Amino acid sequence: QSALTQPASVSGSPGQSITISCTGSSSDIGGYNYVSWYQQHPGKAPKLIIYDVSYRPSGVSIRFSASKSGNTASLTISGLQAEDEADYYCSSYTSTTTLVFGTGTKVNVL
Amino acid sequence: QVQLVQSGAEVKKPGASMKVSCKASGYTFTSYTLHWVRQAPGQRLEWMGWIIAGNGNTKYSQKFQGRVTLTRDTSANTAYMELSGLRSEDTAVYYCARDPSSSTWRVIDYWGQGTPVTVSS
Repeated sequence: QSALTQPASVSGSPGQSITISCTGSSSDIGGYNYVSWYQQHPGKAPKLIIYDVSYRPSGVSIRFSASKSGNTASLTISGLQAEDEADYYCSSYTSTTTLVFGTGTKVNVL
Repeated sequence: QVQLVQSGAEVKKPGASMKVSCKASGYTFTSYTLHWVRQAPGQRLEWMGWIIAGNGNTKYSQKFQGRVTLTRDTSANTAYMELSGLRSEDTAVYYCARDPSSSTWRVIDYWGQGTPVTVSS
């Protein structure tokens, strides 16, 4: 199972909105509404911010939103803040009952 | 509160095996699935496999099939990940992580603190 494809980095200024894409195939993203997104700060364990394509766990900022179209999922961060600078990973359930992660995107707040 | 506490850092020689433990607390251990995920230095998250804590069923990534074994001890609320035939490319932080899904194991809501493993001669 190949990794899902994400852009290596995305940048934005404070207050702006940015979008991170995550592209897979019909065997993962396209086949199920089971995409999750994780935020990871340096030296820390990842944190769940979106599950099942567009649901936010309790306590996660409403500035994080997500969607899916075909084989591509997207995460949008609105009102970008300095604390949003981190690595972001998508993941998806697959047709072989495994989990696959994306290549990861570094978000830079300018 | 939910906690996953992993064993400490390890240094191993090429060809050796390692076994990382993950002790769960704050929830009913047998009601959830645990994933194991690793992250090499500066690299992406890489899924290794899952184990259903209730019945011990497992699923492994093709990449690690034959080298990884996931087990659990329900009396100790502890899961284990054993990786054999270690090589330098296995140098990474290894995480255990809880999945609240049922039947389609697809999301991780709690992570252990990570266990750094270095493979070096």
